[in-house]
Amino acid sequence: EAGVTQFPSHSVIEKGQTVTLRCDPISGHDNLYWYRRVMGKEIKFLLHFVKESKQDESGMPNNRFLAERTGGTYSTLKVQPAELEDSGVYFCASSPPQPGNTIYFGEGSWLTVV
Amino acid sequence: GQQVMQIPQYQHVQEGEDFTTYCNSSTTLSNIQWYKQRPGGHPVFLIQLVKSGEVKKQKRLTFQFGEAKKNSSLHITATQTTDVGTYFCASPNQAGTALIFGKGTTLSVSS
Repeated sequence: EAGVTQFPSHSVIEKGQTVTLRCDPISGHDNLYWYRRVMGKEIKFLLHFVKESKQDESGMPNNRFLAERTGGTYSTLKVQPAELEDSGVYFCASSPPQPGNTIYFGEGSWLTVV
Repeated sequence: GQQVMQIPQYQHVQEGEDFTTYCNSSTTLSNIQWYKQRPGGHPVFLIQLVKSGEVKKQKRLTFQFGEAKKNSSLHITATQTTDVGTYFCASPNQAGTALIFGKGTTLSVSS
């Protein structure tokens, strides 16, 4: 069974540019999460989708970040315009519909804004 | 908001020494999960503890959940170089909509 896949694995962009990260969750996983880890800091929750609906987006830092999950399958996270402090690793994770399940992380999209 | 405090932030040990990381919360946790992230890698689920006072073992790793379900620990016996990485505890928020992570303990092991 394929795991959570993320694209791109690495991205280097200039300040002010736009970047779109994509996540394909494990098939059948209704829950999809975005997390971010800035260098040396904790893994910070960004938002949670249940199918195509945003269940909790309390962790989104500001309106430069836009997450979508059209059709309840893959998700995208767009950063526009990117700032230097957006650099970090963006992890996507998914879990099955039943509550209390563990979540499975993708390998992350490493974003560097210069 | 809910916070899970994790200490220490960094720990360096000699190969063969033991290692322990601790997580504490001011609120009762429904469950606690532990993840390991190797350098350059992604968090990988290790275990979940649900019951008060629960203890689980995985080879050299021992996980404990406190009686009050407000703290947890991960203990590694006789560390090996393959144990290096960052160990995170995590627990669901009160709404159950997100997993909140501690800041992690980064373990380095020298041979």
